[in-house]
Amino acid sequence: DQQVKQNSPSLSVQEGRISILNCDYTNSMFDYFLWYKKYPAEGPTFLISISSIKDKNEDGRFTVFLNKSAKHLSLHIVPSQPGDSAVYFCAATISGNTGKLIFGQGTTLQVKP
Amino acid sequence: ETGVTQSPTHLIKTRGQQVTLRCSSQSGHNTVSWYQQALGQGPQFIFQYYREEENGRGNFPPRFSGLQFPNYSSELNVNALELDDSALYLCASSFGRGDTEAFFGQGTRLTVV
Repeated sequence: DQQVKQNSPSLSVQEGRISILNCDYTNSMFDYFLWYKKYPAEGPTFLISISSIKDKNEDGRFTVFLNKSAKHLSLHIVPSQPGDSAVYFCAATISGNTGKLIFGQGTTLQVKP
Repeated sequence: ETGVTQSPTHLIKTRGQQVTLRCSSQSGHNTVSWYQQALGQGPQFIFQYYREEENGRGNFPPRFSGLQFPNYSSELNVNALELDDSALYLCASSFGRGDTEAFFGQGTRLTVV
């Protein structure tokens, strides 16, 4: 039972353009959502998060949008840079416990120069 | 400030053997969570320890067990290794019952042959 799904295994964008990574979830009890970035041979690194009481959170080039009615969130990266090339994981949790995360399968982003 | 460190980085074991993986939490953190990441998948929550006690467990059999020590470092033990246990094992530390950002270690790559 995959409660958090990232249906696009990979995404390729041109440097300077927008990258949009998508994530769907099924459990309506999730109240906190996070995005992590992972480079090979490294652990996941926290990028940005959003509480279920908000519909948007912005941090520099990264913006996360949450649509609770559709149980969908997305990560926008503008402008995309070659250093953004990595695997991106969407994660969700209940009661804000950031140590008990349910992860999606990940999307590999390639930003071409 | 010392980050999350895991040892060893790589390990090869034979089916049926037992393995112990170690994690040193970030300075000031008292919560440790363990995850298993199979190839091509997102990390899957194994269990969490808060102040030396188990604080939640994912869908893993009892042969996966853990410990947290008074200095908040942690061990993950897996008995009777199976081929499907081959994965990247990630440790994440945070403060409190996970209401702060969790920081991940670089992981231990376990191969069972």
